[in-house]
Amino acid sequence: GQNIDQPTEMTATEGAIVQINCTYQTSGFNGLFWYQQHAGEAPTFLSYNVLDGLEEKGRFSSFLSRSKGYSYLLLKELQMKDSASYLCAVRDGDYKLSFGAGTTVTVRA
Amino acid sequence: ETGVTQTPRHLVMGMTNKKSLKCEQHLGHNAMYWYKQSAKKPLELMFVYSLEERVENNSVPSRFSPECPNSSHLFLHLHTLQPEDSALYLCASSPEPGTGADTQYFGPGTRLTVL
Repeated sequence: GQNIDQPTEMTATEGAIVQINCTYQTSGFNGLFWYQQHAGEAPTFLSYNVLDGLEEKGRFSSFLSRSKGYSYLLLKELQMKDSASYLCAVRDGDYKLSFGAGTTVTVRA
Repeated sequence: ETGVTQTPRHLVMGMTNKKSLKCEQHLGHNAMYWYKQSAKKPLELMFVYSLEERVENNSVPSRFSPECPNSSHLFLHLHTLQPEDSALYLCASSPEPGTGADTQYFGPGTRLTVL
C-alpha cells in the first residue's frame, strides 16, 4: 500500500520561513507533487519533483530525495494569504496520485 | 485554475435519492478524475478516465457510478448513498497522462451531505 506522512499543523509568523516535510513509502514512484488548498477551495498545483534536488519557484521551493523517500516544501517570506493546507502527493504509475492528509499552515501577524 | 468547473457546488440528499455530479474541463485535457475528500483524511482517488475509457477503479462501492461521454465531461451518478459518503467530491483533469510532468488540475468540488 501507499503511505505518505506529513505533519498535521504548523504555525509561523508573517515574513518567516516554514518547511513542510513529507515522507513516503509507495509501491512505485513517478514524481512527487505539492498542492495548496485554501479552505473550501480546489487544490492548486505548486510544484513537481521527479529527480533529486531542489526546484525553486519564487517564494516556494521543493526538494526531493528519492533514496530517502523524502521531500520538503519551503515557504519563504510568509504572507497571510499563505495560510492554507499543503498536500504532498506521489504519483505511482501513469495516473494515480496518492495524497498525504495535508499540513495546515497558519500564518500569524 | 478556473479551467475545471463542477456543479452543483453544494448538494444535500436523502439516502433514497438519486443525483448526479457534473464536471466539465475547458483545458483540452485527455484524462479526468474523481476524488473524494473527507475531513482530515487524504484525497482518495475514485475513478480515472483517459480518452473516455475508464482506466482506474479503486474499489469504490457500486452506489457511485461514473460516466464520461466525451473528453470534456465527467459525471458521477449517486444512488442510495450512506451518511458516511458525505464529503467533498473533487474532479480533476490532466493533459497527457503517462508523460513526465503531467499535472492534475482540480475543480472547486461539490460539497455533498447525505442525510
